[in-house]
Amino acid sequence: GQNIDQPTEMTATEGAIVQINCTYQTSGFNGLFWYQQHAGEAPTFLSYNVLDGLEEKGRFSSFLSRSKGYSYLLLKELQMKDSASYLCAVRGNTPLVFGKGTRLSVIA
Amino acid sequence: EAGVAQSPRYKIIEKRQSVAFWCNPISGHATLYWYQQILGQGPKLLIQFQNNGVVDDSQLPKDRFSAERLKGVDSTLKIQPAKLEDSAVYLCASSLNEQFFGPGTRLTVL
Repeated sequence: GQNIDQPTEMTATEGAIVQINCTYQTSGFNGLFWYQQHAGEAPTFLSYNVLDGLEEKGRFSSFLSRSKGYSYLLLKELQMKDSASYLCAVRGNTPLVFGKGTRLSVIA
Repeated sequence: EAGVAQSPRYKIIEKRQSVAFWCNPISGHATLYWYQQILGQGPKLLIQFQNNGVVDDSQLPKDRFSAERLKGVDSTLKIQPAKLEDSAVYLCASSLNEQFFGPGTRLTVL
């Protein structure tokens, strides 16, 4: 089976940096995805990691360690519009499985 | 490029009634997914199609849920009869690699 854990809620200050962690247990591994979901909206794709290391895309970076079953999403220069849920999802030998999401609140 | 289209956006029904949702994926995306997202949870896969064939429906409650993708493009998801616990957002997604989601249908069962 697959199990994905991420913190339920986080709060950070505008302009700061925040790291959202995700640990997973999976049968096989074929990639890890991060999605952003604003309240009442559909998830939107942020990043994809299949090899160990850091993938950087603007203010957002995602890191993967396959041996540790661990990933994080790093958000820099936080803006108020970054307040949303961030979903970690893993593709193992089965279709994509999503975590419960981390609700990030950015405060002034 | 047009995104994934879903309709209706909202639906309110009483328990034991039937309901159907429609999805039109991004053109050229052979893989189509239906997810159920309960408030405060991540999306849970109900069914995955590759063209018009089912790849995975292991989490689909087959006694009441059904889905089809007859021509390998549009898809419909049906619930018959609905239960209170079916209240959720039903998301359709399509993919080549990463998944693109539609806006979802918010179902309320009273």
